[in-house]
Amino acid sequence: DIVMTQTPLSSPVTLGQPASLSCRSSQSLVHSDGNTYLSWLHQRPGQPPRLLIYKISNRFSGVPDRFSGSGAGTDFTLKISRVESEDVGVYYCMQGSQFPLTFGQGTKLEIK
Amino acid sequence: EVQLVESGGGLVQPGGSLRLSCVASGFTFSDHYMDWVRQAPGKGLEWVGRTRNKANSYTTEFAASVKGRFTTSRDDSTNSLYLQMNGLKPEDTAVYFCARKGGPRTGYLDLWGRGTLVTVAS
Repeated sequence: DIVMTQTPLSSPVTLGQPASLSCRSSQSLVHSDGNTYLSWLHQRPGQPPRLLIYKISNRFSGVPDRFSGSGAGTDFTLKISRVESEDVGVYYCMQGSQFPLTFGQGTKLEIK
Repeated sequence: EVQLVESGGGLVQPGGSLRLSCVASGFTFSDHYMDWVRQAPGKGLEWVGRTRNKANSYTTEFAASVKGRFTTSRDDSTNSLYLQMNGLKPEDTAVYFCARKGGPRTGYLDLWGRGTLVTVAS
């Protein structure tokens, strides 16, 4: 199975400041079709996860442009340019390149 | 409204069975692969399984932790997805989400239900 490792596990951030979350996979996420199926999801307490970013860097419909994704191969980053109060919660990376699909353990974003 | 609504959760004894349902609305359910993902209390997300669409013969995939105990099926006529869980263990205690896979060559889960809680305990 592909192991997804996220760092940090907790990220206290000041409102209006940037945040950077990392995700590393235990093997390349490049699929045989040439795509890299790495996505980022956000989960607020008591709510289901919500898709933010897919295929490394594509923002899903309705996602604010302060969210951006980057990376390649086994190393990926989610950046929030200016953190807002609604951004608190847990961020998960997920690989969809190989079964079983696997998630990182999550990074909890908190406001200082 | 585009949504997924799960039901069927509850308290079950170890070794027991439970069938979860997920009803879709607001989109063409039959076009999509559908997944189950679970989240143990206070823990992260764990993928459980997938059922593909009719064009792909409704084939399924499962996580090793549930393979042989869980099965998934769907009824496109009623926009429903099911998860049959047998031989339940305490470690199966979790909120179970159904989730829609995006179209071909997407690799993401773009729509999630609110989940239904399954508790396995004596």
